[in-house]
Amino acid sequence: DIQMTQSPSSLSASVGDRVTITCRASQSISSYLNWYQQKPGKAPQLLIYAASSLQSGVPSRFSGSGSGTDFTLTISSLQPEDFATYFCQETYSIPFTFGPGTKVDI
Amino acid sequence: EVQLVESGGGLAKPGGSLRVSCAASGFAFSSYTMNWVRQAPGKGLEWVSSIKSSGAHINYADSVKGRFTISRDNAKNSLDLQMNSLRVDDTAVYYCARQASYRSWDYFDYWGQGTLVTVSS
Repeated sequence: DIQMTQSPSSLSASVGDRVTITCRASQSISSYLNWYQQKPGKAPQLLIYAASSLQSGVPSRFSGSGSGTDFTLTISSLQPEDFATYFCQETYSIPFTFGPGTKVDI
Repeated sequence: EVQLVESGGGLAKPGGSLRVSCAASGFAFSSYTMNWVRQAPGKGLEWVSSIKSSGAHINYADSVKGRFTISRDNAKNSLDLQMNSLRVDDTAVYYCARQASYRSWDYFDYWGQGTLVTVSS
């Protein structure tokens, strides 16, 4: 199975900050990498698919990059509603493993 | 509007059984692969099982293989997860999620609100 790691596990930031979260796969997964946002008590929401494609309706301040084993999610200017936990997910092979998450708080 | 609504969660004893369901609406349910994903309290997301649109291809996480059974009824737009031989570490919120595809890329674009399954004596 492919193992996914994320760094950092948590970070503190301020409104307006540029935030970068890293996800690493244990083997090459090409661009089969998705990013989700989850707020407390809510279901995850898709932000980015295929490593860099923005899901419809997601603000353009979110962007994704990377291929192979190393990926990043960037929030260009953090907004109050962005404080949440972010998960990466590989869909290169079953099981579709999620990363452990990165909590972004104030 | 796409909607996925889970039901059937609750309390079960270790070794017991429970069935959770997901009612889908607002899209062509029979055209999509569907998944179950769970999240233990305060923990991350774990993919549990998937079933292709026709029901012919099914996959399970090793942690539930042989104990859980996924099924779907395309006529009723419903997805089920039968959970047997439940363990304490099966305690989690169970989400159903629609799997969309763009060329060869798959992603979970819609999720239900989740249903809590608690396994405790």
